[in-house]
Amino acid sequence: GENVEQHPSTLSVQEGDSAVIKCTYSDSASNYFPWYKQELGKGPQLIIDIRSNVGEKKDQRIAVTLNKTAKHFSLHITETQPEDSAVYFCAARDNQGGKLIFGQGTELSVKP
Amino acid sequence: DVKVTQSSRYLVKRTGEKVFLECVQDMDHENMFWYRQDPGLGLRLIYFSYDVKMKEKGDIPEGYSVSREKKERFSLILESASTNQTSMYLCALAERDKNIQYFGAGTRLSVL
Repeated sequence: GENVEQHPSTLSVQEGDSAVIKCTYSDSASNYFPWYKQELGKGPQLIIDIRSNVGEKKDQRIAVTLNKTAKHFSLHITETQPEDSAVYFCAARDNQGGKLIFGQGTELSVKP
Repeated sequence: DVKVTQSSRYLVKRTGEKVFLECVQDMDHENMFWYRQDPGLGLRLIYFSYDVKMKEKGDIPEGYSVSREKKERFSLILESASTNQTSMYLCALAERDKNIQYFGAGTRLSVL
């Protein structure tokens, strides 16, 4: 089945800097890759997703890139703000069962 | 807005107790999921259900069971709680054939 690895586990940036979180997946048949943000005391919430027929997708300050050949995808946050501080999870849709397989999570801290 | 209600935010139980975690939705979504979240391990799928009275094992079902007698309610059962089941438990739901999952706020369970 699918396996997803996420790095780094923690990331600290200054306000205004960019942040990049990377994930690799193992199943080349996977075709859907969402990113979730979990704020303190809340459940994860979808912030952006990408399908395998697209290489990049943007939504204001966040973007996701996908490299199908290398089987990795990344979340890019530009002009970071303190409210971006949270735990971020990448995921890949398991092609066999349709389940989401999540990465280990990245705790992002944006310092004012 | 999609509302996913988990019955308790915090729960403390003793080893050997039978524990019920409840998840209720108000959206009539078919698919419901139970995950556990542990530091450094991300979200791991315990069980999921695609319809009433239907259940499928996830990646870590050992020590757990589930019940879905009504469409809006999905229960996670720890038949005999053990200390290694101390964790954050997250319920999620999704529409049939849709990828986006909506999460509850989670139940932090401590087994002493």
